[in-house]
Formats: sequence, structure tokens, C-alpha cells
Amino acid sequence: DAGVIQSPRHEVTEMGQEVTLRCKPISGHDYLFWYRQTMMRGLELLIYFNNNVPIDDSGMPEDRFSAKMPNASFSTLKIQPSEPRDSAVYFCASSSRLAGGNEQFFGPGTRLTVL
Amino acid sequence: SQKIEQNSEALNIQEGKTATLTCNYTNYSPAYLQWYRQDPGRGPVFLLLIRENEKEKRKERLKVTFDTTLKQSLFHITASQPADSATYLCALDPGGYNKLIFGAGTRLAVHP
Repeated sequence: DAGVIQSPRHEVTEMGQEVTLRCKPISGHDYLFWYRQTMMRGLELLIYFNNNVPIDDSGMPEDRFSAKMPNASFSTLKIQPSEPRDSAVYFCASSSRLAGGNEQFFGPGTRLTVL
Repeated sequence: SQKIEQNSEALNIQEGKTATLTCNYTNYSPAYLQWYRQDPGRGPVFLLLIRENEKEKRKERLKVTFDTTLKQSLFHITASQPADSATYLCALDPGGYNKLIFGAGTRLAVHP
């Protein structure tokens, strides 16, 4: 398996623009997580899905952030409009409770810079 | 408030020595605790999971302890190597819903 795939790896945009981050979880995993990592706040959970259904979005900072999981192999995190304080590394992770494990498998991340 | 604390200072040790990293938490009663490794520019990688009824867990040169009374986990790397240099994150699942809360991480530097 190729692991969790994220795209793009780097994104530079201007304030006010829409940003869409993409994630393909490991095949067969039933949980998908979106995290944001900054020096100041560390690694924070934004939202997670179980079997494509959003379970907890309490970490989503504002209405400018939205996430979808239309099927088991694809998820998006959208920021509209983007602001400079959204600059961070965004990670997607997946896991499989069905396999009996709780460990999460992280993607390589998307480094977002909002100018 | 609920907190997970890891040493914010970097840990510098000599190759061959044992590195010990600390993770303390307050106001949680987690069923298990996890440790991850993160290299610069990469996502965290899972290392070990220890459950509340386990005192100690080992994997090759890694050892994790979990003291639910002290609310503390210790992560040991024996016979450390420069390749062990990375940031190590502890994480716990407060409610057992597969929702992890991460500590800020401790940066380990192993010098030859």
C-alpha cells in the first residue's frame, strides 16, 4: 500500500482565496482524521470521519473551514476565504478499528502558506 | 484544564546512552497512550501503544511505561543512535473514541 496520500504537498496562496486540500486514506481504513500543526499550537485535530460520516468537528476553527468525505477513498479540507493565520502544515491520517489497532497512519502533509 | 505536557527543551545525549522522554497528563483517564516519532518535513509515525492495564511495553530498543497513578508515561530508547534524532510525540485518547490529543513533542538529538 502507498500509505496515506495528500495533495498538494505545498500550497502558496493569497489571503481571500479558496484552498482545497486532498487526502486519500489507506485502503480499508474506516477512520480519517484531519490535523493542523503549527509551532505555537502543536498538532491539533480538526475533524474526523468514521465510515465517511463526520463524527467530531469541534476542532474546526471557524466556518471558513469545511471538510467532506464523499467516499471511502477520498476526503477534502477546504478553507474559504483563507487568511494568513491559516498558514500551517495540514496532515491527514487514517486508521482501522476493525483491524483492532488504534494507531493512526499519517500522510506527508500539505504545507500551506497564505500571504 | 486538561493538559498533556512533554519536555519542551530539546534532549541532547551521546550515542550509546539511554534517552528518556517524559509525558505527563492531567484531568484525563485514558484507556491507552501512544508514542509517535516525527522527522522534519514528515508526518508522525506510530511507534508504540500501551494500555492502562499494562505497566511496560517493549519493542526492540524502545520501552514505554505507563503509570496511571502518577499520570505519566516514560519513553526510553536504549543504545541510542544518531538516527534516533527526531521529535517524539505522546498522544492519548481521553474518551476511547479514537480521537487523539497530542503533546507538543520533545526533540531528541543523539550526538556521535
